Amino acid sequence: QSALTQPPSASGSPGQSVTISCTGTSSDVGGYNFVAWYQQHPGKAPKLMIYEVNKRPSGVPDRFSGSKSGNTASLTVSGLQAEDEADYYCSSYAGSNNFVFGSGTTVTV
Amino acid sequence: EVQLVDSGGGLVQSGGSLRLSCAASGFTFNNFAMHWVRQAPGKGLEYISGISYDGHDTYYANSVKGRFTISRDNSKRMLYLQMGSLRADDMALYYCAKDQNGALDSWGQGTLVTVSS
Repeated sequence: QSALTQPPSASGSPGQSVTISCTGTSSDVGGYNFVAWYQQHPGKAPKLMIYEVNKRPSGVPDRFSGSKSGNTASLTVSGLQAEDEADYYCSSYAGSNNFVFGSGTTVTV
Repeated sequence: EVQLVDSGGGLVQSGGSLRLSCAASGFTFNNFAMHWVRQAPGKGLEYISGISYDGHDTYYANSVKGRFTISRDNSKRMLYLQMGSLRADDMALYYCAKDQNGALDSWGQGTLVTVSS
């Protein structure tokens, strides 16, 4: 199973928006609406930010939003804040209890 | 509150074995699939293994298939990863994670596996 493709880095000024793409195939991103996004700060465990393409767990700010078109999913962070600076990973369910992660994107604010 | 506590990591020689454990609390453990994810130093997340809520179905990434075995004991609320034939590229921080709606909504703190030659 190959990793999903993400840009290595993205950046924006405080208050601006940044969008991260996540490209897979019809066997993962394009085949299921089980795309998730995780935020990871240095030295910390990943935190779920988006699930089922565009749903936010309780406690995640509505500045975070997700979408999908075909084999590509996207995460948008609006109104960037300093604490949003982190690594972001997408993942997709790929059948049979199998997940695949993206290569990761470092967001700089 | 959901809590996952990873343990069992340590220093092991190349070719050796190690068993990781994950103690779960704060949720009905036997209702949820569980997974192991690892992260090599300075690298991204790699999904390596998953097990269904009842233990009947398992999945392994190609990188660990035939060397690692995932299991669970629902009576003890424990998840395990038996690792064998360890090699340098298995060196990583290993996380257990709970499955919710096709996403990993809770993670352990990770346990570090170091492989020496």
